Amino acid sequence: DAKTTQPPSMDCAEGRAANLPCNHSTISGNEYVYWYRQIHSQGPQYIIHGLKNNETNEMASLIITEDRKSSTLILPHATLRDTAVYYCIAPSGGGADGLTFGKGTHLIIQP
Amino acid sequence: DTGVSQDPRHKITKRGQNVTFRCDPISEHNRLYWYRQTLGQGPEFLTYFQNEAQLEKSRLLSDRFSAERPKGSFSTLEIQRTEQGDSAMYLCASSQFELTYEQYFGPGTRLTVT
Repeated sequence: DAKTTQPPSMDCAEGRAANLPCNHSTISGNEYVYWYRQIHSQGPQYIIHGLKNNETNEMASLIITEDRKSSTLILPHATLRDTAVYYCIAPSGGGADGLTFGKGTHLIIQP
Repeated sequence: DTGVSQDPRHKITKRGQNVTFRCDPISEHNRLYWYRQTLGQGPEFLTYFQNEAQLEKSRLLSDRFSAERPKGSFSTLEIQRTEQGDSAMYLCASSQFELTYEQYFGPGTRLTVT
């Protein structure tokens, strides 16, 4: 898996866009970037993943730089329920070896 | 889609006892994973099933741990002779597609060994 680096914590005001960065400078050409989040006392929740192009779904947008060395997860209108630990993961296997979670970014949405 | 379910949600046991946890994946998902999460850490991969076959095991899965998925549907994780270090959240996840890490997690079973 490519090593990923995330800030340990971030604050964002409710209603504003939350932009969570992730560095993955050693990522190889066929490794996707996955984002998960874990709300306190719950199991992790899949958010989005991408390879090269920007991706958007009902939860978030994923912006991947052209050189693929970093990405940003965007929550367009953060709510208090978005307070969670967000994990950026760049796995290298074919799905059979599980995910390697780091420490993630603790995002706190302020009222 | 009822999601991944796990039972029990909480288990308190005394050191040396055996415990068993159950995971019911999303019905059409043929891939099933077990993870362990200790306080303040991200989840750690334990083992993976494709249908009923256990295809991958982490070095974290000591001899006291055994997992089964007898008919390719639900799975059980058993810990024998529990130790205080086994206290953790045990998470199950399932996935439908090959060559993807899009996994759907259950709520977890919190184990406390006294």
